[in-house]
Amino acid sequence: NAGVTQTPKFRVLKTGQSMTLLCAQDMNHEYMYWYRQDPGMGLRLIHYSVGEGTTAKGEVPDGYNVSRLKKQNFLLGLESAAPSQTSVYFCASSYTTNEKLFFGSGTQLSVL
Amino acid sequence: GEDVEQSLFLSVREGDSSVINCTYTDSSSTYLYWYKQEPGAGLQLLTYIFSNMDMKQDQRLTVLLNKKDKHLSLRIADTQTGDSAIYFCAESITGGFKTIFGAGTRLFVKA
Repeated sequence: NAGVTQTPKFRVLKTGQSMTLLCAQDMNHEYMYWYRQDPGMGLRLIHYSVGEGTTAKGEVPDGYNVSRLKKQNFLLGLESAAPSQTSVYFCASSYTTNEKLFFGSGTQLSVL
Repeated sequence: GEDVEQSLFLSVREGDSSVINCTYTDSSSTYLYWYKQEPGAGLQLLTYIFSNMDMKQDQRLTVLLNKKDKHLSLRIADTQTGDSAIYFCAESITGGFKTIFGAGTRLFVKA
């Protein structure tokens, strides 16, 4: 049972480049989330989805877009990367709201 | 607003007890969680407590909740070097769609 899988694990971008982070879960969870983790700031919610075809903004959505075309996948896109987006990105999923989250192993992104 | 605060560092000797503290601001929390993050890995749920409980014990872990003071603590008995990690306090809000995380407490266990 793979749980939550994120790809890639590491990426280096130049300012202005674009990329997509992929998150896949095999637990049939309805809810999926993208967080970013920065030193001393904990995890901040970027976007989330409450089901296939739905997305919603979290705490820090600017500069990011998401899509949930299939229930098991949640994609996070950066259209024009900025150094401020250097961070560790975590995808998570849950069966319902207010339940424990299952996390992927993270993507370390550096924007130069 | 919603906010979860915890101290950033804690150092203990192997075999001692560790107590990690957390305060939160939203009184409509449903669940309060402790997640553990080991180096290079994602967060994993360690334990949780429902908001109408005062205490929960699970083997070496004891969670205490003081709703009046909005204070949550995690006690790890007989701390081992394998307990070295970052511990995140988190709350989920009744009727909300998100979990609010603290900044994490890095626990160092000295042999």
